[in-house]
Amino acid sequence: EAQVTQNPRYLITVTGKKLTVTCSQNMNHEYMSWYRQDPGLGLRQIYYSMNVEVTDKGDVPEGYKVSRKEKRNFPLILESPSPNQTSLYFCASSLRPGVAGELFFGEGSRLTVL
Amino acid sequence: TQLLEQSPQFLSIQEGENLTVYCNSSSVFSSLQWYRQEPGEGPVLLVTVVTGGEVKKLKRLTFQFGDARKDSSLHITAAQPGDTGLYLCAAQNTNAGKSTFGDGTTLTVKP
Repeated sequence: EAQVTQNPRYLITVTGKKLTVTCSQNMNHEYMSWYRQDPGLGLRQIYYSMNVEVTDKGDVPEGYKVSRKEKRNFPLILESPSPNQTSLYFCASSLRPGVAGELFFGEGSRLTVL
Repeated sequence: TQLLEQSPQFLSIQEGENLTVYCNSSSVFSSLQWYRQEPGEGPVLLVTVVTGGEVKKLKRLTFQFGDARKDSSLHITAAQPGDTGLYLCAAQNTNAGKSTFGDGTTLTVKP
């Protein structure tokens, strides 16, 4: 089954404790992206990757890191989480970004930082 | 950051009613997509519009891209409870990697 898989789905952590949210897709998509969703703010893009070893900042990259060492994986790293990073995170992939590029989303990872 | 403004933010209607959701921007976009999201799940693509003035129909849903490619609308005819969800518009521009989402319209259709 074609899918985007995120882990963990739910996480409660404390300020400053490094964490990684993994994202994996099995559709051989070149493009992957991370978003955060907060009430009333829609989806905001954190980072995206056009291909292996190519990553770029979205609209809200502060406090996050990413890597794209393999085509299928695109982990999101929070080196020192803070309470304002409490949010619902989505990973998405697309065969090709931009015009007509359908985004396939994971089920989301709800993160709470105390 | 290019902004997409959706209206209304919340909409609660009775089954059988018609409704329209709007997505507006001051920027021109090369394409625009509409997604629907249900609680506990990620958004799912409904449609992509590319050409100014384009109209696409998906059963009871009609999507339109403005002539100037700055705005779009989603019209639902005879809404059903199964249409309940969060509707999001998303746009892409010359930097194909960056995507901008609207704030979303939460639709509730009561039986």
